[in-house]
Amino acid sequence: ILNVEQSPQSLHVQEGDSTNFTCSFPSSNFYALHWYRWETAKSPEALFVMTLNGDEKKKGRISATLNTKEGYSYLYIKGSQPEDSATYLCAFFSSGSARQLTFGSGTQLTVLP
Amino acid sequence: SAVISQKPSRDICQRGTSLTIQCQVDSQVTMMFWYRQQPGQSLTLIATANQGSEATYESGFVIDKFPISRPNLTFSTLTVSNMSPEDSSIYLCSVRDSGALEEQYFGPGTRLTVT
Repeated sequence: ILNVEQSPQSLHVQEGDSTNFTCSFPSSNFYALHWYRWETAKSPEALFVMTLNGDEKKKGRISATLNTKEGYSYLYIKGSQPEDSATYLCAFFSSGSARQLTFGSGTQLTVLP
Repeated sequence: SAVISQKPSRDICQRGTSLTIQCQVDSQVTMMFWYRQQPGQSLTLIATANQGSEATYESGFVIDKFPISRPNLTFSTLTVSNMSPEDSSIYLCSVRDSGALEEQYFGPGTRLTVT
């Protein structure tokens, strides 16, 4: 059983604050690390697919980094806005022919106006 | 990317009954999956829906409880059979892109409450 952990479980920040959260995953058999943003009653939205150690990806105010050797990824949000409130999920994609996503339990972010 | 719709979006069902959830994709896809998220838990893969053959179930999930149909490359159904309150979850359909990054897309989910 693959262990993918996210911290913190939940987070409240003020509008304008920058924040970050962590995803840890197995450092062996790595293929990719996916980040999703999931708002209630909507489809999880794919944010990033990260494949290379040292990768850094950016989408507007959101960015992510990847360390495959030590098995962690950080997601950063700069200048949080109330519309950033959502659950942020990471998912580990292992190598091998039967590749499946293993999800963390998510970080629930609430941005207070 | 793929656009995925699910029906129903939510339902409240009685213990012992069954519910069939439909998933429609706007393009033909080879790989289609069903996940669930129980309250406070991670998204968990139930099965891979294979077109024209029986679904491939993950450990802990069986065909009698979660029968799946996949009649073509754009449509699938998941039935939750003989429901109990423990089946209260969000059920999501997902498809995987065949490109290099193998991005995976999700439907909006079906929120099921069993009383």
